[in-house]
Amino acid sequence: DQQVKQNSPSLSVQEGRISILNCDYTNSMFDYFLWYKKYPAEGPTFLISISSIKDKNEDGRFTVFLNKSAKHLSLHIVPSQPGDSAVYFCAASVNNNDMRFGAGTRLTVKP
Amino acid sequence: DTGVSQNPRHKITKRGQNVTFRCDPISEHNRLYWYRQTLGQGPEFLTYFQNEAQLEKSRLLSDRFSAERPKGSFSTLEIQRTEQGDSAMYLCASDSAGGKNQPQHFGDGTRLSIL
Repeated sequence: DQQVKQNSPSLSVQEGRISILNCDYTNSMFDYFLWYKKYPAEGPTFLISISSIKDKNEDGRFTVFLNKSAKHLSLHIVPSQPGDSAVYFCAASVNNNDMRFGAGTRLTVKP
Repeated sequence: DTGVSQNPRHKITKRGQNVTFRCDPISEHNRLYWYRQTLGQGPEFLTYFQNEAQLEKSRLLSDRFSAERPKGSFSTLEIQRTEQGDSAMYLCASDSAGGKNQPQHFGDGTRLSIL
Protein backbone atom coordinates (compact mmCIF):
# COMPACT_ATOMS: atom_id res chain seq x y z
CA ASP A 1 0.00 0.00 0.00
CA GLN A 2 1.66 3.17 -1.26
CA GLN A 3 0.56 5.72 1.31
CA VAL A 4 3.10 8.31 0.18
CA LYS A 5 3.51 9.01 -3.52
CA GLN A 6 5.96 11.08 -5.50
CA ASN A 7 4.63 10.98 -9.03
CA SER A 8 7.54 12.72 -10.73
CA PRO A 9 10.59 10.45 -10.92
CA SER A 10 12.76 13.30 -12.15
CA LEU A 11 12.93 17.08 -12.39
CA SER A 12 15.43 19.30 -14.17
CA VAL A 13 15.79 23.03 -13.47
CA GLN A 14 18.24 25.79 -14.32
CA GLU A 15 20.57 27.11 -11.65
CA GLY A 16 19.05 30.10 -9.88
CA ARG A 17 15.46 29.12 -10.65
CA ILE A 18 12.94 27.57 -8.29
CA SER A 19 12.67 23.80 -7.85
CA ILE A 20 9.28 22.47 -6.77
CA LEU A 21 9.04 18.86 -5.67
CA ASN A 22 5.63 17.38 -4.97
CA CYS A 23 4.30 14.62 -2.76
CA ASP A 24 0.81 13.22 -2.16
CA TYR A 25 -0.36 11.02 0.70
CA THR A 26 -3.46 9.00 1.43
CA ASN A 27 -3.40 8.45 5.20
CA SER A 28 -5.18 11.33 6.95
CA MET A 29 -3.67 10.21 10.26
CA PHE A 30 -0.17 11.33 9.22
CA ASP A 31 0.85 14.20 11.48
CA TYR A 32 4.54 14.69 10.70
CA PHE A 33 6.04 15.14 7.27
CA LEU A 34 9.69 15.24 6.26
CA TRP A 35 11.92 15.69 3.25
CA TYR A 36 15.20 13.83 2.93
CA LYS A 37 17.95 14.35 0.36
CA LYS A 38 20.08 11.49 -0.86
CA TYR A 39 23.37 11.59 -2.74
CA PRO A 40 24.72 8.45 -4.45
CA ALA A 41 26.42 5.99 -2.09
CA GLU A 42 25.16 7.87 0.97
CA GLY A 43 22.20 7.44 3.26
CA PRO A 44 19.26 9.87 3.23
CA THR A 45 19.98 13.16 4.99
CA PHE A 46 17.22 15.01 6.80
CA LEU A 47 16.42 18.31 5.12
CA ILE A 48 13.26 19.88 6.55
CA SER A 49 10.04 18.83 8.23
CA ILE A 50 6.58 20.11 9.06
CA SER A 51 3.99 19.23 11.65
CA SER A 52 0.36 18.82 10.60
CA ILE A 53 -0.61 21.84 12.70
CA LYS A 54 1.32 24.09 10.32
CA ASP A 55 0.98 24.81 6.63
CA LYS A 56 4.44 26.20 5.97
CA ASN A 57 7.94 25.81 7.32
CA GLU A 58 10.96 27.66 5.99
CA ASP A 59 14.68 27.04 6.45
CA GLY A 60 16.93 29.18 4.31
CA ARG A 61 16.45 28.30 0.66
CA PHE A 62 14.08 25.44 1.54
CA THR A 63 10.36 25.80 2.22
CA VAL A 64 7.88 23.01 2.78
CA PHE A 65 4.18 23.60 2.22
CA LEU A 66 1.43 21.35 3.56
CA ASN A 67 -2.12 21.29 2.19
CA LYS A 68 -4.01 18.90 4.47
CA SER A 69 -7.31 19.13 2.62
CA ALA A 70 -5.60 18.04 -0.59
CA LYS A 71 -3.25 15.66 1.24
CA HIS A 72 -0.39 17.29 -0.63
CA LEU A 73 3.09 18.33 0.37
CA SER A 74 5.63 20.30 -1.62
CA LEU A 75 9.24 21.35 -1.23
CA HIS A 76 10.43 24.60 -2.77
CA ILE A 77 14.10 25.28 -3.27
CA VAL A 78 14.98 28.80 -4.29
CA PRO A 79 17.38 29.66 -5.72
CA SER A 80 18.39 26.19 -6.90
CA GLN A 81 22.09 25.38 -6.94
CA PRO A 82 24.01 22.59 -8.74
CA GLY A 83 24.85 21.10 -5.34
CA ASP A 84 21.13 20.52 -4.77
CA SER A 85 21.21 17.81 -7.45
CA ALA A 86 20.18 14.65 -5.59
CA VAL A 87 17.25 12.33 -5.01
CA TYR A 88 14.62 13.83 -2.71
CA PHE A 89 12.35 11.61 -0.63
CA CYS A 90 9.12 12.69 0.97
CA ALA A 91 8.21 10.85 4.20
CA ALA A 92 5.29 10.87 6.62
CA SER A 93 4.52 9.34 9.99
CA VAL A 94 1.88 9.08 12.70
CA ASN A 95 3.13 10.11 16.16
CA ASN A 96 6.66 9.86 14.80
CA ASN A 97 6.19 6.13 14.24
CA ASP A 98 5.97 3.88 11.19
CA MET A 99 7.50 6.33 8.75
CA ARG A 100 6.50 5.83 5.12
CA PHE A 101 8.56 7.07 2.21
CA GLY A 102 7.76 8.03 -1.34
CA ALA A 103 9.76 6.56 -4.23
CA GLY A 104 11.83 9.72 -4.63
CA THR A 105 12.33 12.45 -7.23
CA ARG A 106 15.71 12.93 -8.87
CA LEU A 107 16.48 16.64 -9.09
CA THR A 108 19.07 17.88 -11.56
CA VAL A 109 20.11 21.52 -11.36
CA LYS A 110 21.92 22.60 -14.50
CA PRO A 111 24.60 25.34 -14.31
CA ASP B 1 30.03 14.38 15.24
CA THR B 2 29.57 10.61 15.11
CA GLY B 3 26.50 9.90 13.06
CA VAL B 4 24.90 6.53 12.41
CA SER B 5 27.55 4.03 11.34
CA GLN B 6 26.89 0.87 9.33
CA ASN B 7 29.24 -2.00 8.51
CA PRO B 8 30.09 -3.39 6.10
CA ARG B 9 29.33 -0.89 3.34
CA HIS B 10 29.05 -3.60 0.76
CA LYS B 11 28.51 -7.35 1.07
CA ILE B 12 28.65 -9.80 -1.83
CA THR B 13 27.67 -13.37 -1.12
CA LYS B 14 26.36 -16.48 -2.78
CA ARG B 15 22.74 -17.47 -2.60
CA GLY B 16 22.03 -19.60 0.45
CA GLN B 17 24.70 -18.04 2.66
CA ASN B 18 24.00 -16.19 5.89
CA VAL B 19 24.94 -12.53 6.28
CA THR B 20 25.04 -10.17 9.24
CA PHE B 21 25.10 -6.38 9.21
CA ARG B 22 25.90 -4.05 12.06
CA CYS B 23 24.54 -0.61 12.93
CA ASP B 24 25.89 1.79 15.53
CA PRO B 25 23.34 4.55 16.17
CA ILE B 26 23.97 8.07 17.39
CA SER B 27 24.98 7.51 21.02
CA GLU B 28 22.21 9.50 22.69
CA HIS B 29 19.46 7.96 20.54
CA ASN B 30 17.42 5.18 22.12
CA ARG B 31 15.38 4.21 19.06
CA LEU B 32 16.91 2.30 16.16
CA TYR B 33 15.28 1.39 12.85
CA TRP B 34 16.11 -0.94 9.97
CA TYR B 35 14.91 -0.22 6.44
CA ARG B 36 15.40 -1.88 3.08
CA GLN B 37 15.68 0.10 -0.14
CA THR B 38 15.56 -1.30 -3.66
CA LEU B 39 16.31 0.52 -6.90
CA GLY B 40 13.79 3.21 -7.73
CA GLN B 41 12.00 2.95 -4.40
CA GLY B 42 12.11 4.75 -1.10
CA PRO B 43 13.20 3.07 2.12
CA GLU B 44 10.77 0.41 3.40
CA PHE B 45 10.44 -0.13 7.13
CA LEU B 46 11.60 -3.51 8.45
CA THR B 47 11.77 -3.25 12.24
CA TYR B 48 12.58 -0.95 15.13
CA PHE B 49 13.91 -1.06 18.66
CA GLN B 50 13.43 1.18 21.62
CA ASN B 51 16.45 0.51 23.80
CA GLU B 52 16.85 -3.29 23.65
CA ALA B 53 13.17 -4.06 23.01
CA GLN B 54 12.08 -4.88 19.46
CA LEU B 55 8.73 -3.11 19.31
CA GLU B 56 7.57 -3.58 15.75
CA LYS B 57 8.29 -5.82 12.77
CA SER B 58 7.05 -5.35 9.23
CA ARG B 59 5.51 -8.25 7.35
CA LEU B 60 8.43 -7.70 4.94
CA LEU B 61 10.61 -9.24 7.63
CA SER B 62 10.35 -12.95 6.82
CA ASP B 63 11.44 -15.62 9.28
CA ARG B 64 14.85 -15.68 7.57
CA PHE B 65 15.48 -12.21 8.97
CA SER B 66 16.35 -11.54 12.59
CA ALA B 67 17.45 -8.37 14.32
CA GLU B 68 18.90 -7.83 17.76
CA ARG B 69 19.94 -4.96 19.93
CA PRO B 70 21.26 -6.79 22.99
CA LYS B 71 22.45 -3.89 25.12
CA GLY B 72 20.36 -1.13 23.68
CA SER B 73 23.32 0.28 21.77
CA PHE B 74 24.41 -1.27 18.46
CA SER B 75 22.14 -3.56 16.47
CA THR B 76 22.68 -6.47 14.10
CA LEU B 77 20.48 -7.62 11.24
CA GLU B 78 20.99 -11.21 10.10
CA ILE B 79 19.62 -12.78 6.95
CA GLN B 80 19.75 -16.56 6.78
CA ARG B 81 19.71 -18.61 3.57
CA THR B 82 19.93 -15.53 1.39
CA GLU B 83 17.89 -15.34 -1.81
CA GLN B 84 18.28 -13.25 -4.97
CA GLY B 85 15.41 -11.05 -3.87
CA ASP B 86 17.33 -10.03 -0.75
CA SER B 87 19.67 -7.92 -2.88
CA ALA B 88 19.07 -4.36 -1.71
CA MET B 89 20.45 -1.50 0.34
CA TYR B 90 19.86 -2.04 4.06
CA LEU B 91 19.62 1.23 5.94
CA CYS B 92 19.75 1.89 9.65
CA ALA B 93 18.38 5.02 11.32
CA SER B 94 18.10 6.32 14.87
CA ASP B 95 16.25 8.94 16.87
CA SER B 96 15.17 9.68 20.43
CA ALA B 97 11.83 8.69 21.88
CA GLY B 98 10.03 11.20 24.05
CA GLY B 99 10.59 14.28 21.96
CA LYS B 100 7.73 15.09 19.63
CA ASN B 101 8.42 15.12 15.92
CA GLN B 102 12.10 14.38 15.64
CA PRO B 103 13.68 13.29 12.37
CA GLN B 104 15.37 9.95 12.01
CA HIS B 105 19.04 10.10 11.12
CA PHE B 106 20.30 7.54 8.64
CA GLY B 107 23.56 5.72 8.12
CA ASP B 108 25.07 5.23 4.68
CA GLY B 109 23.71 1.71 4.43
CA THR B 110 24.99 -1.76 3.61
CA ARG B 111 24.53 -2.80 -0.01
CA LEU B 112 23.87 -6.54 -0.27
CA SER B 113 24.49 -8.29 -3.57
CA ILE B 114 23.46 -11.94 -3.91
CA LEU B 115 25.26 -13.86 -6.66
